[in-house]
Amino acid sequence: RKEVEQDPGPFNVPEGATVAFNCTYSNSASQSFFWYRQDCRKEPKLLMSVYSSGNEDGRFTAQLNRASQYISLLIRDSKLSDSATYLCVVNQAGTALIFGKGTTLSVSS
Amino acid sequence: NAGVTQTPKFQVLKTGQSMTLQCAQDMNHNSMYWYRQDPGMGLRLIYYSASEGTTDKGEVPNGYNVSRLNKREFSLRLESAAPSQTSVYFCASSEDGLSGYGYTFGSGTRLTVV
Repeated sequence: RKEVEQDPGPFNVPEGATVAFNCTYSNSASQSFFWYRQDCRKEPKLLMSVYSSGNEDGRFTAQLNRASQYISLLIRDSKLSDSATYLCVVNQAGTALIFGKGTTLSVSS
Repeated sequence: NAGVTQTPKFQVLKTGQSMTLQCAQDMNHNSMYWYRQDPGMGLRLIYYSASEGTTDKGEVPNGYNVSRLNKREFSLRLESAAPSQTSVYFCASSEDGLSGYGYTFGSGTRLTVV
């Protein structure tokens, strides 16, 4: 079983839509959680960390459910510039980041 | 600009050839990493170096070797390239060991093995 699993999509939504991505992780010892964004043929870049209490950064909201080993990302009022692949990422103490395969989002006008 | 620099950006190798991918960071980070990314796959860890002088295997180390030359530089070597090593290779660094925070990635090396 893959350590981090995501629905690959693609998610095709119109501008202004709200879209949610989900992710599950298999190792209960995972300690840190993140969403990265990767544009086509570019390197991944940190979008936001994910905290147990949930956190928000503008139009983006991340949630973590440790009991269910589940992470989510909500994007409100989607923009064309949000089109990208969103990578769910976890970290266990003493190792490097483990990446999901990513969920592709395409926002159209 | 501060960041992670990878060279070369593109490379075509013949099966059996060797090459070294270079990575350097100027942020005084302690930890450095090599990942590969294949179509439809997430990034998979090849090797990492938690600090200068140490290296450890990741998920897919076979066919690769690494050298942490100094705090700034972490190279990845393919001794005998195989078509299965065709991929995009990303180097990354982070400041505080392996907590997962503050990874900065290079722009990648696109390698084709024919």
